[in-house]
Amino acid sequence: DQQVKQNSPSLSVQEGRISILNCDYTNSMFDYFLWYKKYPAEGPTFLISISSIKDKNEDGRFTVFLNKSAKHLSLHIVPSQPGDSAVYFCGETSGSRLTFGEGTQLTVNP
Amino acid sequence: NAGVTQTPKFRVLKTGQSMTLLCAQDMNHEYMYWYRQDPGMGLRLIHYSVGEGTTAKGEVPDGYNVSRLKKQNFLLGLESAAPSQTSVYFCASSHRGWNTEAFFGQGTRLTVV
Repeated sequence: DQQVKQNSPSLSVQEGRISILNCDYTNSMFDYFLWYKKYPAEGPTFLISISSIKDKNEDGRFTVFLNKSAKHLSLHIVPSQPGDSAVYFCGETSGSRLTFGEGTQLTVNP
Repeated sequence: NAGVTQTPKFRVLKTGQSMTLLCAQDMNHEYMYWYRQDPGMGLRLIHYSVGEGTTAKGEVPDGYNVSRLKKQNFLLGLESAAPSQTSVYFCASSHRGWNTEAFFGQGTRLTVV
């Protein structure tokens, strides 16, 4: 079974609004969570990460929140832009392994 | 700066045939990974390596073998291809397996008929 779960296969938002992508995890012994973005016919690219000792990490329009008690993390994109339309994967690293969830297709409509 | 290069980009195999996918990185990274991406399944880790001469099993290792004879190369082998191995394969590398970002190749689209 995958250690991280992304239960929403797709999300559609209007340009300028907030996009919230969610991820649940089962393994409490992690070091970092990472978010990757993937465009069609390209490899995934790193977006943002958060360590286990933090609750929030921000980078420009992207903010990741970690709720350890709920074993839940979320990626907020504000404001959303059409160029943000892609598949987003949350990943977990607990040492040497890097494993990912199923991905969420984000579509930002102009 | 090439980053992570995967060869080939496309391949069609017949059931039972064998092939090797090559991943090469020029960033002197210690860690390398092989993933497969399937609809609804996300990126699943097949095998990974934490350094030259080492390999380890990931989430879905059955039917695949790997070798890391040189630090810059990570080979993924299919000894007897099956239709269930039809997928897009991604290789990635990172300086360490922790908080540093992993860089991905462009992918190899493999179809087994």
